[in-house]
Amino acid sequence: GDSVTQMEGPVTLSEEAFLTINCTYTATGYPSLFWYVQYPGEGLQLLLKATKADDKGSNKGFEATYRKETTSFHLEKGSVQVSDSAVYFCALRYNFNKFYFGSGTKLNVKP
Amino acid sequence: EAEVAQSPRYKITEKSQAVAFWCDPISGHATLYWYRQILGQGPELLVQFQDESVVDDSQLPKDRFSAERLKGVDSTLKIQPAELGDSAMYLCASSLYGVQETQYFGPGTRLLVL
Repeated sequence: GDSVTQMEGPVTLSEEAFLTINCTYTATGYPSLFWYVQYPGEGLQLLLKATKADDKGSNKGFEATYRKETTSFHLEKGSVQVSDSAVYFCALRYNFNKFYFGSGTKLNVKP
Repeated sequence: EAEVAQSPRYKITEKSQAVAFWCDPISGHATLYWYRQILGQGPELLVQFQDESVVDDSQLPKDRFSAERLKGVDSTLKIQPAELGDSAMYLCASSLYGVQETQYFGPGTRLLVL
């Protein structure tokens, strides 16, 4: 069945370090892919999305490219800040607006 | 900016009691979702509404959970009786139908069953 696999956390980085959070998916057809972020005590917020192969989603310095050949949608940021500390969820949309979320990756950024 | 509203934000109850959560989606959003998020895991869809109709409740434990969206706007999720394993964050989300895929989430209701 359709699924999303994320790298396990927590990921701990120093401020200004480069970030990569891996996400791979299994899906029939051509799903849309998303990254959501959840700050402590809050609901999920859409960070970025890509709806077809080779699309690049970007927002707030984060970016991810929809790679059909490797079934991946890795999240990257060139220079993280303490305020980026949160849990990041990769998700896919299939079959009429039905979402499947990964288990989340916690990011801790130290000053 | 329009937001999804949820209440209460926190709920503590004893097992075997009934609890109810309320969600008001963004105005004009036809699709409404209820998710359960266990600590340390991703959200799991419980039920999805299209207007007032349920389109997916395959993961809803129907022996104790119920959900309704009578007028196709706000929605209520009920648990009766609550069990210890129901302790989790309950998230509501909404999206436009057939136009936009993005789901917008509310702040959630954190439930603790004692």
